[in-house]
Amino acid sequence: KQEVTQIPAALSVPEGENLVLNCSFTDSAIYNLQWFRQDPGKGLTSLLLIQSSQREQTSGRLNASLDKSSGRSTLYIAASQPGDSATYLCAARGGRGSTLGRLYFGRGTQLTVWP
Amino acid sequence: NAGVTQTPKFRILKIGQSMTLQCTQDMNHNYMYWYRQDPGMGLKLIYYSVGAGITDKGEVPNGYNVSRSTTEDFPLRLELAAPSQTSVYFCASSYSAGGRDIQYFGAGTRLSVL
Repeated sequence: KQEVTQIPAALSVPEGENLVLNCSFTDSAIYNLQWFRQDPGKGLTSLLLIQSSQREQTSGRLNASLDKSSGRSTLYIAASQPGDSATYLCAARGGRGSTLGRLYFGRGTQLTVWP
Repeated sequence: NAGVTQTPKFRILKIGQSMTLQCTQDMNHNYMYWYRQDPGMGLKLIYYSVGAGITDKGEVPNGYNVSRSTTEDFPLRLELAAPSQTSVYFCASSYSAGGRDIQYFGAGTRLSVL
């Protein structure tokens, strides 16, 4: 069964810092790895999707990398802003057997960026 | 463009009561999903549907039922509510389950069973 772990569980930083959020997964047979943002009382918004054959994806100040063989993904946030404050979730999409097509979520990293 | 709409946003149930959580999407997506998120935890898949008339169980289906009579709607039914079903419920949809497909989420239904 796929298990997804996110470290750290919470992070509080001053504005302007570059951040690293970590995600690990136990089954390397994945279709893709997605990063989501969740604001309090809201649903999830997809930020980046990395295919299993890709190494990284970039969108603005966000960059996500994937090392499938070691079961790791990293989300980099450059020049953080107070508006980045939210919970960031990673999800691995299963690529075989009973996990095929399903999303397996980590518990999230709760980020606070203070001015 | 409404996307995925869930109703109600909040609900309090007594133990043993039943209710239906509504979900509708206007993107003509084939795939729809129901997740629950317990405090401090990731989302877990309850049920999913690959198209009208077809549903299947996810990781945590016990205590829930679903139906998919149309492409747009995917209601989740709780029979005999229990305190363990206190959670936030999210509905999502996607065009397919392929590797490039992104799931779009509703804003959630916060349910308390007392």
